[in-house]
Amino acid sequence: NAGVTQTPKFQVLKTGQSMTLQCAQDMNHEYMSWYRQDPGMGLRLIHYSVGAGITDQGEVPNGYNVSRSTTEDFPLRLLSAAPSQTSVYFCASSYSIGSGANVLTFGAGSRLTVL
Amino acid sequence: GQNIDQPTEMTATEGAIVQINCTYQTSGFNGLFWYQQHAGEAPTFLSYNVLDGLEEKGRFSSFLSRSKGYSYLLLKELQMKDSASYLCASMDSNYQLIWGAGTKLIIKP
Repeated sequence: NAGVTQTPKFQVLKTGQSMTLQCAQDMNHEYMSWYRQDPGMGLRLIHYSVGAGITDQGEVPNGYNVSRSTTEDFPLRLLSAAPSQTSVYFCASSYSIGSGANVLTFGAGSRLTVL
Repeated sequence: GQNIDQPTEMTATEGAIVQINCTYQTSGFNGLFWYQQHAGEAPTFLSYNVLDGLEEKGRFSSFLSRSKGYSYLLLKELQMKDSASYLCASMDSNYQLIWGAGTKLIIKP
């Protein structure tokens, strides 16, 4: 069981470039999500998916796209990178522990720098 | 608005006990999570409380008071490997997580 696999671990982009952060999980979890983590701030939800073919926006979706064609994969696309998107990005899948609560399993993170 | 408050940094001594506090204000409440995050790594799940009281899990315990909007994480018999950030997150009425900025815990020998 690999868990949640994110690639790449590090990436440097120039303003205006586009790229895709890959995320795959092998736990057959329906719920997947993308977060960004910035210094001095809590994790912020970018997009999430409750199953294949279903995606929705989180707290900070602008500048990002997602798709969910399979249960396993949930890529995050930066359409036109901006310095404000410099951050550490975490993909997560989750499982239910009852009472509507889901425990998140995070990928190792992708550190993105936009120059 | 929704808000989670926790101290930015705490220092404790190896072998001692430390309590990390978290206060929350969210639109509705469906539980409180604690995650541990070592530097440069991903957060990992520690605990979940939805009812008032103390939940004990080995050296770690988590407490919740819903009437006070307050939780704490208690770490006993501190070890050097407990040096990490501890993230508090409240689940709101839409089952979305609102995250605190985290408490960086420094353990000294």
